[in-house]
Amino acid sequence: AQSVTQLDSQVPVFEEAPVELRCNYSSSVSVYLFWYVQYPNQGLQLLLKYLSGSTLVKGINGFEAEFNKSQTSFHLRKPSVHISDTAEYFCAVINSGYSTLTFGKGTMLLVSP
Amino acid sequence: DAGVTQSPTHLIKTRGQHVTLRCSPISGHKSVSWYQQVLGQGPQFIFQYYEKEERGRGNFPDRFSARQFPNYSSELNVNALLLGDSALYLCASSVTGVMTEAFFGQGTRLTVV
Repeated sequence: AQSVTQLDSQVPVFEEAPVELRCNYSSSVSVYLFWYVQYPNQGLQLLLKYLSGSTLVKGINGFEAEFNKSQTSFHLRKPSVHISDTAEYFCAVINSGYSTLTFGKGTMLLVSP
Repeated sequence: DAGVTQSPTHLIKTRGQHVTLRCSPISGHKSVSWYQQVLGQGPQFIFQYYEKEERGRGNFPDRFSARQFPNYSSELNVNALLLGDSALYLCASSVTGVMTEAFFGQGTRLTVV
């Protein structure tokens, strides 16, 4: 079965600093990977997805992620964070039938002034 | 265009009661998926429906059931509520059930006391 592991439950960072949120996946087949953001008391919003092609994926709000097959990773990065980026971030993988998402436990990004 | 709408946004139920949660997909979307997100965890897949047929079911007890109506809206029903059913219930809609193109609603926060 496919799975994802988010290595950090919480990442504190100062405003305008760079950030990396880590995600490792486990799969014996080709993977499609996603990052979602969840603001307090909100649903999930898609930040970006890797389906094929370039391993560097750009998403909304200045976020990007790099698919690394040799390290089975899909880390999320932003060069300069804002207070408004404070939220929970979820890495997810899709099953072979493309019908089910399996999520990690989430990483809480806390941006302080 | 309206996004995925879920109702109610919040509700409180007593152990042993029954609850019905509702989801209206984006216009033109024929598939609805349900996910449960317990506090501090990532969302977990419960059901997927496409064209009123169940296409997938996650590892949840028979107390959980769902259906999809001719207008593609969906209901999630939970019987004999337990404290552990307290969670945010998320609905996602897509055109054909392929989750690479899915959109999530804001969720229904269920508290069981």
